[in-house]
Amino acid sequence: QSALTQPASVSGSPGQSITISCTGTSSDVGGYNYVSWYQQHPGKAPKLMIYEVTNRPSGVSNRFSGSKSGNTASLTISGLQAEDEADYYCSSYTIANTLVVFGGGTKLTVL
Amino acid sequence: QLQLQESGPGLVKPSETLSLTCTVSGDSIRSGYYWGWIRQPPGKGLEWIAMIYYSGSTYYNPSLRSRVTISIDTSKNQFSLRLSSVTAADTAVYYCARNGLFVEQQMADYWGQGTLVTVSS
Repeated sequence: QSALTQPASVSGSPGQSITISCTGTSSDVGGYNYVSWYQQHPGKAPKLMIYEVTNRPSGVSNRFSGSKSGNTASLTISGLQAEDEADYYCSSYTIANTLVVFGGGTKLTVL
Repeated sequence: QLQLQESGPGLVKPSETLSLTCTVSGDSIRSGYYWGWIRQPPGKGLEWIAMIYYSGSTYYNPSLRSRVTISIDTSKNQFSLRLSSVTAADTAVYYCARNGLFVEQQMADYWGQGTLVTVSS
């Protein structure tokens, strides 16, 4: 069982917006602004999409945005495209001795 | 352009030690970032293993702490992972990654391509 809770799957049609949630506790997501989001296509290494809750690395499309409310962080993808179909993972710094925790991953299907 | 490349055996026998090296090119491993290892069992999610700073400061996942050693060789621009007493549960794709400028940041912005390590006799 993962420390952060994500929905197993989400789906959307091209052009639509979707949001993936990532729920933790006050020891991780809720207590610190160190939430990251990763995109992973099959057989590929994860790619950083969002860091420190809302920041996009250089080169990442502005269709990807991050936010947080309480113990839940969210990744929103607007203007959904076929290439967005992938697995998405959240992670967070945690004050617990594990230092970092991951979500179980969400499979995004573009219909 | 920063690149990371994992190397090491793809097959390890049960009870033996898994050893992997990550070679960093395009920047110095002493550039002020943390460096780490993350693994992904087939069909499953990501699991953080360990992290190191060029000064030698290390951080470990408590669930693996007793079996893991992470080390760094700044002269070769490499860092390494050793995982002892492996079982089939350690079969996974192992990734090395650059981990951010401070411990809390936890943003792996550059990754190696990953290497599949299978534990089997």
